[in-house]
Amino acid sequence: DGGITQSPKYLFRKEGQNVTLSCEQNLNHDAMYWYRQDPGQGLRLIYYSQIVNDFQKGDIAEGYSVSREKKESFPLTVTSAQKNPTAFYLCASALAGAYHEQYFGPGTRLTVT
Amino acid sequence: GIQVEQSPPDLILQEGANSTLRCNFSDSVNNLQWFHQNPWGQLINLFYIPSGTKQNGRLSATTVATERYSLLYISSSQTTDSGVYFCAVEDNYGQNFVFGPGTRLSVLP
Repeated sequence: DGGITQSPKYLFRKEGQNVTLSCEQNLNHDAMYWYRQDPGQGLRLIYYSQIVNDFQKGDIAEGYSVSREKKESFPLTVTSAQKNPTAFYLCASALAGAYHEQYFGPGTRLTVT
Repeated sequence: GIQVEQSPPDLILQEGANSTLRCNFSDSVNNLQWFHQNPWGQLINLFYIPSGTKQNGRLSATTVATERYSLLYISSSQTTDSGVYFCAVEDNYGQNFVFGPGTRLSVLP
């Protein structure tokens, strides 16, 4: 059963703590993406990776970090430096970049208090 | 970079009505996708349609690449069609996707 999984679905953290969001895909896709969505808003790109061991900053990378040690995994760490981390986070993948169809995971809702 | 606009921003329909959503983009594209974001936040792929016309049940889409727009048609709308519809195209470097701001559709019973 191919797809993209994100865990957990809901995450609660205290201010000042780092938190890591998981994203795993078994579609054998090279490209993976992290987006942030605030209530009633569109998607904003945080980080993307076209290949293992390589990743690039998106439009709103400040306060976030990623790694891409395995093709199927692209975890996102929300650091304490992110000023307003409460949001809905979506992970996506595509076969080999933006000329291919993009698929999304179910998302993680992060609440920081 | 490439700009993507969607119209209308909000749409309210009675169940059974038809609707047309529009996506305009500022440059030529090789990839255009339509997504439906359901009330739980999941983005569902509707169409991968860089050009031409496709149909899937009550939904169909047409992209006129030379005129830089795409249309999503929803016929005989149902309450489960409610949500936000996004179109997305590739950026000028073919690495990332550029999303439109979305059309929020509410279908009333």
